[in-house]
Amino acid sequence: AQSVTQLGSHVSVSEGALVLLRCNYSSSVPPYLFWYVQYPNQGLQLLLKYTTGATLVKGINGFEAEFKKSETSFHLTKPSAHMSDAAEYFCAVSGSYNNAGNMLTFGGGTRLMVKP
Amino acid sequence: NAGVTQTPKFQVLKTGQSMTLQCAQDMNHNSMYWYRQDPGMGLRLIYYSASEGTTDKGEVPNGYNVSRLNKREFSLRLESAAPSQTSVYFCAIKLPGLASETQYFGPGTRLLVL
Repeated sequence: AQSVTQLGSHVSVSEGALVLLRCNYSSSVPPYLFWYVQYPNQGLQLLLKYTTGATLVKGINGFEAEFKKSETSFHLTKPSAHMSDAAEYFCAVSGSYNNAGNMLTFGGGTRLMVKP
Repeated sequence: NAGVTQTPKFQVLKTGQSMTLQCAQDMNHNSMYWYRQDPGMGLRLIYYSASEGTTDKGEVPNGYNVSRLNKREFSLRLESAAPSQTSVYFCAIKLPGLASETQYFGPGTRLLVL
């Protein structure tokens, strides 16, 4: 079984401040890890993913995440928040497979608010 | 939305009514998925389909049926809607190949059951 925990359902930062969204996972097999972003009234957009190789992954819009196996974490960061980053962010883990491919398990989501 | 379309965008039903949510993709991929999104719970898998004519249950299949009659379309049916099925429903596709293992989502259908 696999699970994802996102610490903090709401995070508020000032514009220009560091963004840190936390994600911890459990998986019985080597995981693939994903961050998705959802803007209001829209679908989910892939932000970045870790499959194999380099543990520091860079995504769109200046975001990056680091896979730390020893800590079972995949935290999302951005050095300087922009107003347009305000959205809900979902961490997901894929560690089980069937004939349809990977099965994603999502965290509960973190809503990021950016203050001017 | 990676070539994934969903209809309708929004629907209001009364308890007991039925409806079908449609999902279509224009990229000829095999794997398709239906999720529901509820506050604080992320997305949960309802059903998935590995290929035309095959479907399997996900985490929360009760109260739903699906149909994959062709490669392009994957529909989700509520036979007798309940207020607990008020949610936002997302269809997703997966690009082929192990190197990808990434799902891409449609714009969603917001369903309100009164």
